[in-house]
Amino acid sequence: DAKTTQPPSMDCAEGRAANLPCNHSTISGNEYVYWYRQIHSQGPQYIIHGLKNNETNEMASLIITEDRKSSTLILPHATLRDTAVYYCIVSFRDNYGQNFVFGPGTRLSVLP
Amino acid sequence: EAGVVQSPRYKIIEKKQPVAFWCNPISGHNTLYWYLQNLGQGPELLIRYENEEAVDDSQLPKDRFSAERLKGVDSTLKIQPAELGDSAVYLCASSLDSEREADTQYFGPGTRLTVL
Repeated sequence: DAKTTQPPSMDCAEGRAANLPCNHSTISGNEYVYWYRQIHSQGPQYIIHGLKNNETNEMASLIITEDRKSSTLILPHATLRDTAVYYCIVSFRDNYGQNFVFGPGTRLSVLP
Repeated sequence: EAGVVQSPRYKIIEKKQPVAFWCNPISGHNTLYWYLQNLGQGPELLIRYENEEAVDDSQLPKDRFSAERLKGVDSTLKIQPAELGDSAVYLCASSLDSEREADTQYFGPGTRLTVL
């Protein structure tokens, strides 16, 4: 089972910041938070990941709470092309290495 | 640099027919994954390879599904015979080495299978 909880859908106005929440209350100390998105008819696209510090790259910012039980993905200026399903994933380690379990994600609709 | 390549992008077959999907991972990536994605759901892992070894195939329906990764580079996933319920998107992903502390997976575009 996925170790994360996300709202099933969100709307955001074009040009505004999109803030996508994720709860991961059972995260362990060495487990990373990853974000991917999937645009219709494409494979999931990597966005960003982090352990406990906030992270920023050219696509987005990731804010992780101090207790690591939740995080927020921020798209600073959403465009229509950001309409997609966003997946928050907590990686875990099994006998073979790091692994992911995807949940259903959040469907973000950016509105003109 | 090329990303993960998959072919075909689309496949339509009749039930009971065989079908095969091909994946070429990012150059230098040791770990390869096959996922199944049903409509409206997140991807679900079918099998994971470390080089040529299938290290996790616990979710692969072995009565009809098989996979191989000869020489530890590209991989083929096969279904024989296909059933109506196999209609889905089959995704391939690769990563540098899943034993690393943080190992990002990169996905291909997927193969959309329709079984009639």
